[in-house]
Amino acid sequence: AQSVTQPDIHITVSEGASLELRCNYSYGATPYLFWYVQSPGQGLQLLLKYFSGDTLVQGIKGFEAEFKRSQSSFNLRKPSVHWSDAAEYFCAVRSNDYKLSFGAGTTVTVRA
Amino acid sequence: GAGVSQSPSNKVTEKGKDVELRCDPISGHTALYWYRQSLGQGLEFLIYFQGNSAPDKSGLPSDRFSAERTGGSVSTLTIQRTQQEDSAVYLCASSPRRTQGDSGYTFGSGTRLTVV
Repeated sequence: AQSVTQPDIHITVSEGASLELRCNYSYGATPYLFWYVQSPGQGLQLLLKYFSGDTLVQGIKGFEAEFKRSQSSFNLRKPSVHWSDAAEYFCAVRSNDYKLSFGAGTTVTVRA
Repeated sequence: GAGVSQSPSNKVTEKGKDVELRCDPISGHTALYWYRQSLGQGLEFLIYFQGNSAPDKSGLPSDRFSAERTGGSVSTLTIQRTQQEDSAVYLCASSPRRTQGDSGYTFGSGTRLTVV
């Protein structure tokens, strides 16, 4: 069965600094990978997704993620965070039966 | 509609009562999912509907939980004899049936259920 691990429960970053959120997955076949963001009181919004092809994926809000098969990782990055990036971020993997399995999430706090 | 609509947005119920949570998926989306998000937890898969196929109920935590999807559109998640541990945000998502590629999943804003 597929699974996702987000090792960092909480990250604090200064506004303007870079951000990297880690995601490791376990899945036997080629994974379909996603990053979602959830702002307080909001639903989940898709940031980006990876299915195949270029391993560096660009998403919305200036985010990007890199798929590394050798490391079973799909880390999310942003070069310069804004206060509005404070939220909870979820990595997910989709299996062949179309179910999404989510990590436990990483909460990002942005300090001025 | 333009997005996935869930109602009610908030529900407070007494322990032992039954509740129904509603999800209106995006028009034309054939796949519909229910997830549960408990405080401090990730998202837990509950049930998945795909077109006219039998639903995948493998994530339902107990027989108090059931869901149906009428006419391939609106879905209702029912929790019978609610318990305090059922308190959570229940999220619904829909996605189109894909022929090539994947448009991803669109989530509703959720129903926050509080059992007192």
